[in-house]
Amino acid sequence: ETGVTQTPRHLVMGMTNKKSLKCEQHLGHNAMYWYKQSAKKPLELMFVYNFKEQTENNSVPSRFSPECPNSSHLFLHLHTLQPEDSALYLCASSHMAEPGLLYFGPGTRLTVT
Amino acid sequence: GENVEQHPSTLSVQEGDSAVIKCTYSDSASNYFPWYKQELGKRPQLIIDIRSNVGEKKDQRIAVTLNKTAKHFSLHITETQPEDSAVYFCAASGSGGSNYKLTFGKGTLLTVNP
Repeated sequence: ETGVTQTPRHLVMGMTNKKSLKCEQHLGHNAMYWYKQSAKKPLELMFVYNFKEQTENNSVPSRFSPECPNSSHLFLHLHTLQPEDSALYLCASSHMAEPGLLYFGPGTRLTVT
Repeated sequence: GENVEQHPSTLSVQEGDSAVIKCTYSDSASNYFPWYKQELGKRPQLIIDIRSNVGEKKDQRIAVTLNKTAKHFSLHITETQPEDSAVYFCAASGSGGSNYKLTFGKGTLLTVNP
């Protein structure tokens, strides 16, 4: 598959569960991002990775833990989430030379019960 | 940090009319302003962008204008079509070397009525 892919597309989890979101980009980009999209709120940047190194943690609670094993893969590990964490989680990638030109994945719709 | 305000939150127009969405930003050092379109159930996609050294940019039926002095920029869609119906997000780049850090507006839901 081309572009940016995310799995799973939908996830329902309890507050005591541990789950992981996966993102993969097939565009040869060297920067990857996690965004959170909630109803009636702007897209919120969570984490940025440039060349596998985390360069931004936008005051995200520790119950969200990112991992970037290489420049093509990005994970978001989730544990002890709260109902207010229910949202669409979007992964994106870009070239370092064009950081504003983001290619988004389809997102994971997360529901915390 | 950067703050981006976007108006209106919803906009309904008749097919063929023009639509204008406006955004303001707070950081005078911001220098890159993209616009993303998100159709229902789909991912956001870049439709047009403008840099601070340009006042206006056009691409077929869409155009973006930038007023650096007033710190606002706008998206103009002419001859709207039903397929233009979507949520549109403006964004501004961060300053201080954090040019990868985009700050988004809250979005405008545009509905084009046939």
